[in-house]
Parts: sequence; structure tokens; C-alpha cells
Amino acid sequence: ELKVEQNPLFLSMQEGKNYTIYCNYSTTSDRLYWYRQDPGKSLESLFVLLSNGAVKQEGRLMASLDTKARLSTLHITAAVHDLSATYFCAGGFYNQGGKLIFGQGTELSVKP
Amino acid sequence: KAGVTQTPRYLIKTRGQQVTLSCSPISGHRSVSWYQQTPGQGLQFLFEYFSETQRNKGNFPGRFSGRQFSNSRSEMNVSTLELGDSALYLCASSLAGRGGLGTQYFGPGTRLLVL
Repeated sequence: ELKVEQNPLFLSMQEGKNYTIYCNYSTTSDRLYWYRQDPGKSLESLFVLLSNGAVKQEGRLMASLDTKARLSTLHITAAVHDLSATYFCAGGFYNQGGKLIFGQGTELSVKP
Repeated sequence: KAGVTQTPRYLIKTRGQQVTLSCSPISGHRSVSWYQQTPGQGLQFLFEYFSETQRNKGNFPGRFSGRQFSNSRSEMNVSTLELGDSALYLCASSLAGRGGLGTQYFGPGTRLLVL
């Protein structure tokens, strides 16, 4: 079964710095998702990555997918406090419909 | 367009009781998935319903069950509650068709506390 591992699990950053969250998965999944969760809130969809080499960007966040390495990354550029949240990656398969397997989450804290 | 809604938002129950949680998907979405989120186990898939049929099931005991109605609204039920069932229960809906895998949009969750 698909296993998804994220690192680091905790990340304390200074505003203005860059950093990367890594998401390793055990078997190739058909889609790789990134979600954001604010404390006490639900999950917000950030990116969907479909194929090898896919790169998507939104504001200060950029996600990429390397299916050969079974690795997805979420790169944060010039972090700001508003990005403080927990970030999850998740994989899914077409033949398993709405079943997503989530990583443990990376708790990001951006300090001034 | 209204998002996914879940009721109730908070629940306190005692061990041995049962509970029913409700989820209304985004209009037009026919797939509804349920997840349990706990600090120790993270986000775990419970089950998914599509067109009133359970399409996928996670590794949870039979005390956890669900159903979906013709209007795509879904309910999940937990019987004989245990302390370990305390969690945030999240519902997600997607446009995914019969064989598809669409982006899941999550509701605000129901926070269940079992005493």
C-alpha cells in the first residue's frame, strides 16, 4: 500500500527565507496533492500534480513532482507570517477513487 | 458556490454511545469521502461513497459505517464509542466520476470528544 512520508515534520523559519518541504512516497501514485491546514481549521487544496516533471506555482509556494524519484517538493520563497500552517501531501490512485493517503504533515512556523 | 458543510461542528459523547455525523457536499459533487484526524495517527481514510454506494473502505473496525443519500449527502455513524474515537472527522467531496480521482474539497470537520 502507498506510504507517504514528509520531512521535516516541524519547520521554524524566519520571514524572508526560503525553504523546501519534502514528500516521499513508496509507490507511484496517479496524483499527488498538497493541502494546507490552519490551526483548528479544515484542509485547503493548494496543488494537484499529475505527471512527472509537473511544476505548479501560486504566490510564494511552488510544488513539483519527480515520479522517478517518488518525490514531491513544496518550495517556499521569501516566507511571510501568513504562510504559517501545517502542510500535507497526499497520494491517490484512479482505481481507488476518493481514497487519499496523507503524509504526517509539516508544521510551518514563520517568525518575524 | 457553497462549500462542503458538516454538522454538528462539535460533539461530546460518553463511551458506549453512538454518534451520527452529517456531510453535505458541494453541489454537483457525487463523491464523498470521510477521514479521521488525530494527533497520533494523522489523517486516515475511513470510506468513500459514490452514487449511494461505498466505493472504498479504509482499515477501520465495523463500528464505523456510513451511507449516502440520493442527493449525495452522506452520514457516518460510529457505534459503541471508545475513548480513542475522539478526533476531528473530516468530510470531502469531489467531482470525480465512476473511475476518476478528482480534487477533494474538505468541510470544516466535526470535532468529537468521547469521555
